[in-house]
Amino acid sequence: QKEVEQNSGPLSVPEGAIASLNCTYSDRGSQSFFWYRQYSGKSPELIMSIYSNGDKEDGRFTAQLNKASQYVSLLIRDSQPSDSATYLCAVTLSGSARQLTFGSGTQLTVLP
Amino acid sequence: KAGVTQTPRYLIKTRGQQVTLSCSPISGHRSVSWYQQTPGQGLQFLFEYFSETQRNKGNFPGRFSGRQFSNSRSEMNVSTLELGDSALYLCASSSRTGGGGTDTQYFGPGTRLTVL
Repeated sequence: QKEVEQNSGPLSVPEGAIASLNCTYSDRGSQSFFWYRQYSGKSPELIMSIYSNGDKEDGRFTAQLNKASQYVSLLIRDSQPSDSATYLCAVTLSGSARQLTFGSGTQLTVLP
Repeated sequence: KAGVTQTPRYLIKTRGQQVTLSCSPISGHRSVSWYQQTPGQGLQFLFEYFSETQRNKGNFPGRFSGRQFSNSRSEMNVSTLELGDSALYLCASSSRTGGGGTDTQYFGPGTRLTVL
């Protein structure tokens, strides 16, 4: 079992729709969770960080964390073509507070 | 505030050679981490430096090494290059202060290494 798993996609949604990206992790001791966006040929860009159970909203983005289910998700409301990218879930495993472990990413395409 | 910078942006080497990549963190950030990204393995942690000391190391062979200078700039070196070392090498900086907890990491543009 991989330490961090994401649906590889690709995921396609129409413009204006809600895109839902999911991530599960295996280490119950994980403390910190991040979502990065990576455009083709570019480096990862931080979108959200979340540390506590529940929802965290930032503009059109909402991160959701459920530590009991070992599940973290990212919702993108009013999706735009410019949101088309690969979304990477990253987790710090217990005992490695400054080492990010990444999922394989979900490729999102927002159709005009 | 300027972001993380990496040089060079692109590099072509041949098998057996060695390479040195450079990273300048965001001003005030003292922690630098290195990652390798390949299509097959995704993003993998190489190592982290803080206060000129390696604090954590990923599962890579000893051919991969690094160092950090007093101004927090960091270099990583790969010796005896192999074809499989072709990858995007990413540097990330964070404002780690030496205590516990996690600091958000911000990535530089990366160095694209091609080994022929």
